[in-house]
Amino acid sequence: GAVVSQHPSRVICKSGTSVKIECRSLDFQATTMFWYRQFPKQSLMLMATSNEGSKATYEQGVEKDKFLINHASLTLSTLTVTSAHPEDSSFYICSLLQGDGDTQYFGPGTRLTVL
Amino acid sequence: EDQVTQSPEALRLQEGESSSLNCSYTVSGLRGLFWYRQDPGKGPEFLFTLYSAGEEKEKERLKATLTKKESFLHITAPKPEDSATYLCASETGGGNKLTFGTGTQLKVEL
Repeated sequence: GAVVSQHPSRVICKSGTSVKIECRSLDFQATTMFWYRQFPKQSLMLMATSNEGSKATYEQGVEKDKFLINHASLTLSTLTVTSAHPEDSSFYICSLLQGDGDTQYFGPGTRLTVL
Repeated sequence: EDQVTQSPEALRLQEGESSSLNCSYTVSGLRGLFWYRQDPGKGPEFLFTLYSAGEEKEKERLKATLTKKESFLHITAPKPEDSATYLCASETGGGNKLTFGTGTQLKVEL
């Protein structure tokens, strides 16, 4: 399957600051990437779909001005959590489609803790 | 609204003790049913995709099956390294959007 990396793997920040998370496809060009959020003991929730060269599509209830997504190249998508607050503390995971376009391969995730 | 429910929430097995995990789905127009394995603090690892009722797929000690209402992940003679959370997800409509269940946390003991 596809090789996906995320950076950083773990970040701690103060309330009110912004944090950028990178998602990279290491072995092929991905036109579509997805961003998920996972709270403890809960399922993965899709936040947005990131398309290369165009604006991201956000799921209902996800603030697009708070969670900025940039998919500037076929191998990189970034998620910026702006003015982070403690309730934004979560596990953020990206994924991308490969090959037949049906299967999503996930990155290792980024643990965000907002103090 | 699409719903995916997994049971049990947690399962403890002895090494070699076979069992099955259940994933029930209530969706309109299933395009695919996916199984993933997730280790603590890591992203999900792809296991299987099933597309139509009656389909089965196998990989080592795991076998996934699909009916019109549910999917099973059968684990035969599990080993401690099979301990993980197993997630299922449905894809409906367009856009490759996945709806995940909350997972079954499996622990296999010696």
